[in-house]
Amino acid sequence: EVQLVESGGGLVQPGGSLRLSCAASGFTFITYWIHWVRQAPGKGLEWVSRINSDGSITSYGDSVKGRFTISRDDAKNTLYLQMNSLRAEDTAVYYCTREVPYYYNNRRSGGFDYWGQGTLVTVSS
Amino acid sequence: IQLTQSPSSLSASVGDRVTITCRASQGISSYLAWYQQKAGKAPKLLIHTASTLHSGVPSRFSGSGSGTDFTLTISSLQPEDFATYYCQQVNSYPLTFGGGTKVEIK
Repeated sequence: EVQLVESGGGLVQPGGSLRLSCAASGFTFITYWIHWVRQAPGKGLEWVSRINSDGSITSYGDSVKGRFTISRDDAKNTLYLQMNSLRAEDTAVYYCTREVPYYYNNRRSGGFDYWGQGTLVTVSS
Repeated sequence: IQLTQSPSSLSASVGDRVTITCRASQGISSYLAWYQQKAGKAPKLLIHTASTLHSGVPSRFSGSGSGTDFTLTISSLQPEDFATYYCQQVNSYPLTFGGGTKVEIK
């Protein structure tokens, strides 16, 4: 059974740091691109970051670029999100999610087929 | 790339045909996915590549469109379909989601 389990959320003061983890099981972690998506309370989904299967390519949303860093440890089947200089607007449930490798015209076209349960990050003084 | 979903909410009855639209601010070919999210739960993938049903998703769900205009249709609304639906473009980074459409019981 495919599982993604996030941890590391909590209450942090503005300007502080937090590292989220996502433990993966039930699939060959090393072959998948993994993403972070967040959802502020009562709001819609916002894509945050992604890392490719070998960790050589990362991308970030404009609102977190320069402050967040995504990484992976394939030996531990774990994804990380290092979050620095946190702001009130970073308050959200953070989900890790697996990109399904479908292709269309030789380009990746799949969505996200498995999601964790989410971990809540609250930035407040 | 901005995605605009309409309507933002709708009320419908069991058995109704429901249509949700998603418009992209620029052409994205067929690089669009649809998700269903219930309160307090993670989203579930319904459709990828604009019109391909994800494994295990009931056939009452269908997607269509290409370029800038896309549609998610539920042919006969079931009680378990009351939820919020999101489109997502996977054409280019940063990936983006639409604002969501909440489907409520009439």
